[in-house]
Amino acid sequence: KAGVTQTPRYLIKTRGQQVTLSCSPISGHRSVSWYQQTPGQGLQFLFEYFSETQRNKGNFPGRFSGRQFSNSRSEMNVSTLELGDSALYLCASSLALQGGNEQFFGPGTRLTVL
Amino acid sequence: AQTVTQSQPEMSVQEAETVTLSCTYDTSESDYYLFWYKQPPSRQMILVIRQEAYKQQNATENRFSVNFQKAAKSFSLKISDSQLGDAAMYFCAYGDNTDKLIFGTGTRLQVFP
Repeated sequence: KAGVTQTPRYLIKTRGQQVTLSCSPISGHRSVSWYQQTPGQGLQFLFEYFSETQRNKGNFPGRFSGRQFSNSRSEMNVSTLELGDSALYLCASSLALQGGNEQFFGPGTRLTVL
Repeated sequence: AQTVTQSQPEMSVQEAETVTLSCTYDTSESDYYLFWYKQPPSRQMILVIRQEAYKQQNATENRFSVNFQKAAKSFSLKISDSQLGDAAMYFCAYGDNTDKLIFGTGTRLQVFP
């Protein structure tokens, strides 16, 4: 079974631009979560999608948004990029059968904002 | 709000020895889950071990075990017979009935031959 895939793996953007990151979960997984990982702030939860609905949202500004499609694939979008948005963005998927699910992480997309 | 604290930024252990990584958390919930995730250098994060708060018995997975002290809100990870492949960042995480995880700041574990 293929693991969680994220595209692109690396991105370089300039301030003010917008970016879209993609995540394909493991086949059969219905929940997709996104995290931002930085040296200063560590791993921070962005949002979680389940059956195309945002089930949870972290404490990030409205510039960060996401969505999930009917095939469970998910995208996140960051508009008006700032230097502080430079980070590794991780996506994770799970079967979402109940609480405490094992989440399977993708390799991440490394975003650099210049 | 829930918080997770890992007070050891770095730890080191000799191969075949035992090491314990510390984690404390804070929550007012009674039903929750605790996790240890491992992030090897330039590799994907993987689940090491998982504990349901309602279970008193400590979880074990081969060489990995936890010491879950619910009243003290402590959740430490013990790695026995350490191997070179155990070298990684280890993150303690708190979860509820959704997939939202709150992570600690991580502990970098070095394993020396």
